[in-house]
Amino acid sequence: EAAVTQSPRNKVAVTGGKVTLSCNQTNNHNNMYWYRQDTGHGLRLIHYSYGAGSTEKGDIPDGYKASRPSQENFSLILELATPSQTSVYFCASGPQDTQYFGPGTRLLVL
Amino acid sequence: GEQVEQLPSILRVQEGSSASINCSYEDSASNYFPWYKQEPGENPKLIIDIRSNMERKQIQELIVLLDKKAKRFSLHITDTQPGDSAMYFCAASAGATGGNNKLTFGQGTVLSVIP
Repeated sequence: EAAVTQSPRNKVAVTGGKVTLSCNQTNNHNNMYWYRQDTGHGLRLIHYSYGAGSTEKGDIPDGYKASRPSQENFSLILELATPSQTSVYFCASGPQDTQYFGPGTRLLVL
Repeated sequence: GEQVEQLPSILRVQEGSSASINCSYEDSASNYFPWYKQEPGENPKLIIDIRSNMERKQIQELIVLLDKKAKRFSLHITDTQPGDSAMYFCAASAGATGGNNKLTFGQGTVLSVIP
């Protein structure tokens, strides 16, 4: 299975603060994705990317930005964090439609 | 966009029996259907997938069936063991033919295998 890493693994942020979640993959996958997972909502797509320099809006992009500076790295940015963004965030990567998930980041916004 | 419905949301079975999870989708362009297993506190892991050129696929105790006409697919776990207890997600994608490689996930099924 492809290796995807995320950092940090846990994060506590204050309301109104800026939060950056990082994702790295060394499998040379073109596609990378950011999801959040909340009880009762399953996995919801926030942003995704087809390659370095590209970002696309997913199903719930409001309040989030994404950056893909290289093939390996894909970041999720919360410019002004809110308590409603408390969640578990998963990054995934893959060739074409297959996706492999990272270990997740638990974010708590106080 | 694509919608995927997954049922049941909770499934309890006796050890050694079979468990079945059903999903339906709306977009006839969907051609890739993966299944993920997620244990508490862990990430979703791909356990089996099927593409639209197949109707059945089996990996050990996992069987996936695809009915393109009815737009339904299902996961069957035979001879369940306590280690099969987890959350299971189905997903669908139209892949490159749909213009993107997004997966649309079902809401998940919590499977409990009772010893």
